[in-house]
Amino acid sequence: DSGVTQTPKHLITATGQRVTLRCSPRSGDLSVYWYQQSLDQGLQFLIQYYNGEERAKGNILERFSAQQFPDLHSELNLSSLELGDSALYFCASSQGQGAYEQYFGPGTRLTVT
Amino acid sequence: GQNIDQPTEMTATEGAIVQINCTYQTSGFNGLFWYQQHAGEAPTFLSYNVLDGLEEKGRFSSFLSRSKGYSYLLLKELQMKDSASYLCAVSPLPPFGGYQKVTFGTGTKLQVIP
Repeated sequence: DSGVTQTPKHLITATGQRVTLRCSPRSGDLSVYWYQQSLDQGLQFLIQYYNGEERAKGNILERFSAQQFPDLHSELNLSSLELGDSALYFCASSQGQGAYEQYFGPGTRLTVT
Repeated sequence: GQNIDQPTEMTATEGAIVQINCTYQTSGFNGLFWYQQHAGEAPTFLSYNVLDGLEEKGRFSSFLSRSKGYSYLLLKELQMKDSASYLCAVSPLPPFGGYQKVTFGTGTKLQVIP
């Protein structure tokens, strides 16, 4: 158990819908990262927050947005969902902003039908 | 930007030794991570190399050559449970402002056979 929690574990929704994925980092970690992993693909970095502020952005679609709240939990919002958005979404946390070990949550498996 | 290259798949025999290579090209480099990921599960941290050389941690060792942009993960006394994907990730030098974006390779899927 990494100490990072993600909810929900599974999510099935229809195209065009909007969903929110939630992540709570390990106690004491200030950085939260979001990744997308499609079937047989590598981890695609989406976005990073540090202590409530956006710090780095990857290839995150405009339909996706995220935020980190004062209690350090984070939410990833996915809207106008498409079939291709079906993937495992991982949240990770670390102490600092980059060269630190990242602790991954169990992931949310999103299926868009 | 960063470019990371790893073999897609490897097969090795239980009890043997396997070396998984990773080459990278980056505009600035701070260190290199290795993560293990079992199918459908979250990645877990294995090692982080900043300096050149070999770091040993039990059955797993990781090597880095900064001048060659090259790293490898060495797994000894392979066990069936080592069947997983192994992800190489580079941590670049921070831009002004102090933050760094870690970039993951696509991973090497290792199958351990009896």
